[in-house]
Amino acid sequence: QQQVKQSPQSLIVQKGGISIINCAYENTAFDYFPWYQQFPGKGPALLIAIRPDVSEKKEGRFTISFNKSAKQFSLHIMDSQPGDSATYFCAATTSGTYKYIFGTGTRLKVLA
Amino acid sequence: DTAVSQTPKYLVTQMGNDKSIKCEQNLGHDTMYWYKQDSKKFLKIMFSYNNKELIINETVPNRFSPKSPDKAHLNLHINSLELGDSAVYFCASSPDSNRGYTFGSGTRLTVV
Repeated sequence: QQQVKQSPQSLIVQKGGISIINCAYENTAFDYFPWYQQFPGKGPALLIAIRPDVSEKKEGRFTISFNKSAKQFSLHIMDSQPGDSATYFCAATTSGTYKYIFGTGTRLKVLA
Repeated sequence: DTAVSQTPKYLVTQMGNDKSIKCEQNLGHDTMYWYKQDSKKFLKIMFSYNNKELIINETVPNRFSPKSPDKAHLNLHINSLELGDSAVYFCASSPDSNRGYTFGSGTRLTVV
């Protein structure tokens, strides 16, 4: 019940296309869902996050869609660029538990 | 003015040795963490500290001992290193339990 399932494992998108990464969870106590971007040799960096009282959040080219009833959330990267090539992690946590449960990561490659 | 800094960045050592990794954050955050990223890039919580107090010890072997001398520092000491300890170790901090983390750039530990 503590797992966060992330798909796909890898993704190749043409420049200008839309990248979509999906995550699913079981624990309905989760109340914060962040996405992280990690470049090789670097630590993960917070990209965007959502709480379950909102169905969508947009920041620039990045959008989180959240479906509470389906217990799923997804990251959409619009107008994908080669500089977006990185590994993306979804995560989930419950307030007061002091830990994230991370998805297994998606390696995104955007072709020029 | 790095937000979360870890040292060293690389650590190569022999089995059986003892080593330490240091972490410092200048963000004024109350909570600090150690995460382990394995060869498949999976991120797993090891320890969480809030205001210098240990909150989470996620079934980590006793050979791993964290120490938080103050809110800005969280060090990790590892005794009797084993081959299976080879991984990238990330320090992170956050304002509280359900806000975004700021990760350090990681320490790649290789045990030979």
